[in-house]
Amino acid sequence: NAGVTQTPKFRILKIGQSMTLQCTQDMNHNYMYWYRQDPGMGLKLIYYSVGAGITDKGEVPNGYNVSRSTTEDFPLRLELAAPSQTSVYFCASSYGQRGVETQYFGPGTRLLVL
Amino acid sequence: AQKITQTQPGMFVQEKEAVTLDCTYDTSDQSYGLFWYKQPSSGEMIFLIYQGSYDEQNATEGRYSLNFQKARKSANLVISASQLGDSAMYFCAMREENSGGSNYKLTFGKGTLLTVNP
Repeated sequence: NAGVTQTPKFRILKIGQSMTLQCTQDMNHNYMYWYRQDPGMGLKLIYYSVGAGITDKGEVPNGYNVSRSTTEDFPLRLELAAPSQTSVYFCASSYGQRGVETQYFGPGTRLLVL
Repeated sequence: AQKITQTQPGMFVQEKEAVTLDCTYDTSDQSYGLFWYKQPSSGEMIFLIYQGSYDEQNATEGRYSLNFQKARKSANLVISASQLGDSAMYFCAMREENSGGSNYKLTFGKGTLLTVNP
């Protein structure tokens, strides 16, 4: 299993440009998440999904959109990039059970908006 | 109020010694889970250890143990016999497990940067 994969690894955007961060998992997990990590900070939840066709906002959703058409894929869309969106973006997935079941993280996408 | 507080921005420890990384949390839920993740300089998030709020025994995973003090709402990570490869950022996180999908998200602290000296 590849686990959670993210593309691209690094991207530079100009202000106002748009892009899609890709996330794919091959563990048949129901739940998927997008986090952002700003320098020196912990991760903050942007959006999450409990299954195909179902998404919901997290703590910091403004400026982002998501879709979940399949179990495997959970892309994150930035429509009008702003310098405040410079961050490292992590995708994660889990079965969505309670207890010790943890989230599995992708390697991250580093985004720089200039 | 912050839900997860890590008061140590940075910690230093000598190789082979033990170190404790502090974490306090704030929740009114009865059912919750506490996690520790390691983030090395390469950037990936690595799950280390989990403690459930109803677990009576402190969790242990190899050299990692979690000192869970429920009344104090603390969940400190103890790393025994530190190794150079333990140098990394460590994050404490909480999952509140009342019900519904939204309660499966993790809330992270700001992290503690651990440096292991030879």
